[in-house]
Amino acid sequence: DGGITQSPKYLFRKEGQNVTLSCEQNLNHDAMYWYRQDPGQGLRLIYYSQIVNDFQKGDIAEGYSVSREKKESFPLTVTSAQKNPTAFYLCASSWTGEQPQHFGDGTRLSIL
Amino acid sequence: DAKTTQPTSMDCAEGRAANLPCNHSTISGNEYVYWYRQIHSQGPQYIIHGLKNNETNEMASLIITEDRKSSTLILPHATLRDTAVYYCIVRSGRGSTLGRLYFGRGTQLTVWP
Repeated sequence: DGGITQSPKYLFRKEGQNVTLSCEQNLNHDAMYWYRQDPGQGLRLIYYSQIVNDFQKGDIAEGYSVSREKKESFPLTVTSAQKNPTAFYLCASSWTGEQPQHFGDGTRLSIL
Repeated sequence: DAKTTQPTSMDCAEGRAANLPCNHSTISGNEYVYWYRQIHSQGPQYIIHGLKNNETNEMASLIITEDRKSSTLILPHATLRDTAVYYCIVRSGRGSTLGRLYFGRGTQLTVWP
């Protein structure tokens, strides 16, 4: 079945460590996105990519980094510079930026 | 992108129609109305979108007023599995905001037996 796979579902990090969240899609979508969701809040855009080897910062990119070396993969690294990384992270993809986005089931990151 | 206003919560009896309103009074001519829903601890699920005509798919109907300043998502026969937070989003998908979805807090719909 086509879809978006995020792994792991739960992730724990020690303070000062970088951690990478995986996002893979087999929908052949060009555009991919990373969002962050805090309890009781809507989603906020971290980074997005419209095509391989290209990506743009969203509204809250500080402390995060991404890469888009392959069409199907858009990993997100949460660096030690992100002061409040505990959140629910969601990856999405779409055919183009104008088409509806389809979401993965998220990764919940917690700081030990 | 235009801001949207939704009620914080609503409830609905199982089997009845759920009508979720959304105000977007500052919407511009090239902006679409999108609806997503999110079940607790899962990713948002796309439901439907439209520009100015009413739209219907297998999940729901979207009614947009003639002046486009408000819309209503209709779930014709709500089930317990429709309990979720419903987000109304308005975006153009053009220029520097291409692809961005601006999520507010949405409406918590609770369907009761």
